[in-house]
Amino acid sequence: EDKVVQSPLSLVVHEGDTVTLNCSYEVTNFRSLLWYKQEKKAPTFLFMLTSSGIEKKSGRLSSILDKKELFSILNITATQTGDSAIYLCAVSTGTASKLTFGTGTRLQVTL
Amino acid sequence: GAVVSQHPSRVICKSGTSVKIECRSLDFQATTMFWYRQFPKQSLMLMATSNEGSKATYEQGVEKDKFLINHASLTLSTLTVTSAHPEDSSFYICSATTPGGISTDTQYFGPGTRLTVL
Repeated sequence: EDKVVQSPLSLVVHEGDTVTLNCSYEVTNFRSLLWYKQEKKAPTFLFMLTSSGIEKKSGRLSSILDKKELFSILNITATQTGDSAIYLCAVSTGTASKLTFGTGTRLQVTL
Repeated sequence: GAVVSQHPSRVICKSGTSVKIECRSLDFQATTMFWYRQFPKQSLMLMATSNEGSKATYEQGVEKDKFLINHASLTLSTLTVTSAHPEDSSFYICSATTPGGISTDTQYFGPGTRLTVL
């Protein structure tokens, strides 16, 4: 059975802090790893990673994949209250691009 | 681009009734759509994969006769919860992928439908 594990489950930080969210996986037929941000409604896409060691960056967010050790990290620098959300990691497998989601990391950024 | 809509956003119904939820890709053709449900403080659980013009593929433990999926066109998939019961109350989210290679792995999600069965 495919498995995606995220840590920590929840995190409270002060505005301006840097956070690192972790995602490890055990799946068959790996295709890619995706990060999503979920606020009150549906997840919004952040990154898709397919190759090891290549950092993807978007503003204060960045992510990298290690296919040998089977994990990915999502970094957020200079956090803001608007970064408060659940961050979901998902792995795409097989020919149908089926996504298996982790349980998510709930991030709260306080003033 | 890659906008997915869902309707309705919220529905309350009586036990025993059926509820239909629509998922539309607004600016692209989606050969594949996915239906998820999410319970409070839990992650998304895939219910079924829907391919245009063919029968949906259901995940283990999901009753295909209870959750009817129709993907009649490249921009519309529907999920009908038949004879809904209170335990079916949940947040239902659809997603769609754009056609072509590895980019199909990126699923774009609709805003979700919160179903409450009384």
